[in-house]
Amino acid sequence: DQQVKQNSPSLSVQEGRISILNCDYTNSMFDYFLWYKKYPAEGPTFLISISSIKDKNEDGRFTVFLNKSAKHLSLHIVPSQPGDSAVYFCAASARSGSARQLTFGSGTQLTVLP
Amino acid sequence: DADVTQTPRNRITKTGKRIMLECSQTKGHDRMYWYRQDPGLGLRLIYYSFDVKDINKGEISDGYSVSRQAQAKFSLSLESAIPNQTALYFCATSEAGWGYTFGSGTRLTVV
Repeated sequence: DQQVKQNSPSLSVQEGRISILNCDYTNSMFDYFLWYKKYPAEGPTFLISISSIKDKNEDGRFTVFLNKSAKHLSLHIVPSQPGDSAVYFCAASARSGSARQLTFGSGTQLTVLP
Repeated sequence: DADVTQTPRNRITKTGKRIMLECSQTKGHDRMYWYRQDPGLGLRLIYYSFDVKDINKGEISDGYSVSRQAQAKFSLSLESAIPNQTALYFCATSEAGWGYTFGSGTRLTVV
């Protein structure tokens, strides 16, 4: 059973518009959430994160929103640029003893059209 | 040089062959991970290691083994490769389990 779900495998957006990528989770022990971006032939790279004590974190064009009651987070990209075209993975982390590891969603392919 | 280096970048092997994928890192992180990526399934954890003497199975460890030769090196072996192990494999490191640094991946094809 997937604990982190990205239900949209793909999303197309016009350049300059807003891109909204969604992620749902089921494990209430998750307390830290991250977004990774992956280009073809490269490994995923960290994009932005949010702690469960916050409901919003912003970094330039990227904003992550967390709704704990709905167990839902979203990544907003404004304005979208062609270079944002990539696969975006949502990830969640929970503490287990002294350990912490990430659980990833299945990814969403974002295509920004010029 | 990359912080996390995976070799080889691409490999085609035959069913039943043993193959090793290697990972080395210059981050100085204690924690290392092996993931595989399949279309529609995202990144799934195969094995992870929190230090040289610590090896743990992930959610899909069957058919795989690992070796942590040193803090900086973590290798993944397929003892007898099968076609459904065709995938993109990623090594990652982290400090205390927070943000991960990934390698560029190894594309493995088992024919």
